[in-house]
Amino acid sequence: QKEVEQDPGPLSVPEGAIVSLNCTYSNSAFQYFMWYRQYSRKGPELLMYTYSSGNKEDGRFTAQVDKSSKYISLFIRDSQPSDSATYLCAMSPTNTNAGKSTFGDGTTLTVKP
Amino acid sequence: DARVTQTPRHKVTEMGQEVTMRCQPILGHNTVFWYRQTMMQGLELLAYFRNRAPLDDSGMPKDRFSAEMPDATLATLKIQPSEPRDSAVYFCASGSGFGTGELFFGEGSRLTVL
Repeated sequence: QKEVEQDPGPLSVPEGAIVSLNCTYSNSAFQYFMWYRQYSRKGPELLMYTYSSGNKEDGRFTAQVDKSSKYISLFIRDSQPSDSATYLCAMSPTNTNAGKSTFGDGTTLTVKP
Repeated sequence: DARVTQTPRHKVTEMGQEVTMRCQPILGHNTVFWYRQTMMQGLELLAYFRNRAPLDDSGMPKDRFSAEMPDATLATLKIQPSEPRDSAVYFCASGSGFGTGELFFGEGSRLTVL
């Protein structure tokens, strides 16, 4: 079993829908939780970053972390066609090695106009 | 516009040939990572450098893969001999090594081994 499991998708929604992307993990040492967005034939880019449990909001995006359940989510409100991409969750135990993250396999999202 | 630069973007080669991929990290970044991405395995960490010193290459097949940083502006990943199962997209990423730990990825080198 992988340390990080991500809902595989693919996910297809109409424009304006609320999207929920989810990951579970098994390593209780993870403290830093990230979401990367990867457009087709591009490298991943950091979208959201949270430390420990709680919520973080940035525009239409909200990241949630529930460490007690070892579960993280990314919500996208008012989804747009430009949000169509693969979303990767990533986690690491310390920020000194935060780049040495464990990634989920990604969920591919398509937002249809 | 600071970015991680990878070459080549695409490489098609025959089994048994040597393949070298190059990466120029963002100036000032002291951590460099090599990842491999496939549909089956997702994003896998191959090697990790801090201040040019290799810290972790446990994800890399030692018999055929090697990673080096000859200087702060160049990281290389070499496969010799290449095999069809090495076909993947190889990403280089760099980071400042502290703070948010954000990684900046290059656009990847797409390798096909026939």
